[in-house]
Amino acid sequence: DIQMTQSPSSLSASVGDRVTMTCRASQGISKYLAWFQQKPGKAPKCLIYGASSLHSGVPSKFSGSGSGTDFTLTISSLQPEDFATYYCQQYNSYPLTFGGGTKVEI
Amino acid sequence: EVQLVESGGGLVQPGGSLRLSCAASGFTSSDHYMDWVRQAPGKGLEWVARSRNKANSYTTEYAASVEGRFTISRDDSGNSLYLQMNSLKSEDTAVYYCTRVDIISGHYYFAYWGQGTLLTVSS
Repeated sequence: DIQMTQSPSSLSASVGDRVTMTCRASQGISKYLAWFQQKPGKAPKCLIYGASSLHSGVPSKFSGSGSGTDFTLTISSLQPEDFATYYCQQYNSYPLTFGGGTKVEI
Repeated sequence: EVQLVESGGGLVQPGGSLRLSCAASGFTSSDHYMDWVRQAPGKGLEWVARSRNKANSYTTEYAASVEGRFTISRDDSGNSLYLQMNSLKSEDTAVYYCTRVDIISGHYYFAYWGQGTLLTVSS
């Protein structure tokens, strides 16, 4: 199974900050990576697929990069609605696996 | 508008069975892969099972943790997705999400999620 490791597990930031989080795969997954945002008590929402392509309706303040084993998600200017937990997920091979999440806190 | 509405969760004793349902609307669900993903209380996300689309004969994939105990299926119209869960264990306690998989340029990703239904396995 491909293990997905996210870091940091949590971070504190302020409104307006540029925030970057990372996701590392235990083996190469090309660009078969997605990012999700989840707020407390709500279902996850897709932000990015293909490591860097924005899902429909997602604002451009979110961006993703990377390929192979190392990936990043960046929020260009953090807004109050962006405080949430972010998950990466690989779909290169079965079983599909998620990272443990990065919680973005005020 | 894409809508996925799960139902069927509840409290079940260890060793028991339950069937979850997901009603899909706003799109032709038979054209799409659809998956179940779960989240134990306070934990991360775990993929559970996949049903490919009608063009791929609704073939299936499972996580090792549920293989042989859970069965994913659809009704003939493809508008409902099911998860039959047998031999339930306490570690199956989770919110179960129904997802629609979009396929763009070879990328198969969880584009839409339902609101989830909670399964609690406890005596």
